Amino acid sequence: KQEVTQIPAALSVPEGENLVLNCSFTDSAIYNLQWFRQDPGKGLTSLLLIQSSQREQTSGRLNASLDKSSGRSTLYIAASQPGDSATYLCAVNSNYQLIWGAGTKLIIKP
Amino acid sequence: NAGVMQNPRHLVRRRGQEARLRCSPMKGHSHVYWYRQLPEEGLKFMVYLQKENIIDESGMPKERFSAEFPKEGPSILRIQQVVRGDSAAYFCASSPLRAGASTDTQYFGPGTRLTVL
Repeated sequence: KQEVTQIPAALSVPEGENLVLNCSFTDSAIYNLQWFRQDPGKGLTSLLLIQSSQREQTSGRLNASLDKSSGRSTLYIAASQPGDSATYLCAVNSNYQLIWGAGTKLIIKP
Repeated sequence: NAGVMQNPRHLVRRRGQEARLRCSPMKGHSHVYWYRQLPEEGLKFMVYLQKENIIDESGMPKERFSAEFPKEGPSILRIQQVVRGDSAAYFCASSPLRAGASTDTQYFGPGTRLTVL
């Protein structure tokens, strides 16, 4: 059974810092992995999707990596801004079901 | 191309009433997925549907919950005799291709927030 874990559960850093969010999964047989952002009381914003054959994806200040063999993905956020404050969710697509981590709640202090 | 649409965005029901949540997939998408996010918890898969077919409902509670995706019209998630524990955000997603294909991605709607009084 696929399980997805995100560490840390919460993170508070000063503005301008680079930071890394971690996601691990127990079954390496995945189709893709997706990172989402969720603001309080809001919907889900897809940030990056990495196919199982890919090692990383980049979008602006965001870079996501995938190491299937070790069951890990990281989301790197460069030069963090207060507007980056949100909960970041990792979701693994094993077989059409997305299996979700509990999220990392990120606070960027001005 | 409009995104995935869900309505209502907010729904308030009293215990024992019925809740109907609607999801219109993106144009050209024939696969719909429902997920539930309980307060302070992660999202959980509920059900996967194609037009007129339920493919996998393994994540859906056995009682009071049902889902459909008719040939015409939106997908409906129906909750009968709601209880306070049903209060949650319900998200719908759609995809264009066979589920599990490596290029598939699921596109999410804004969610329906159900509050049971």
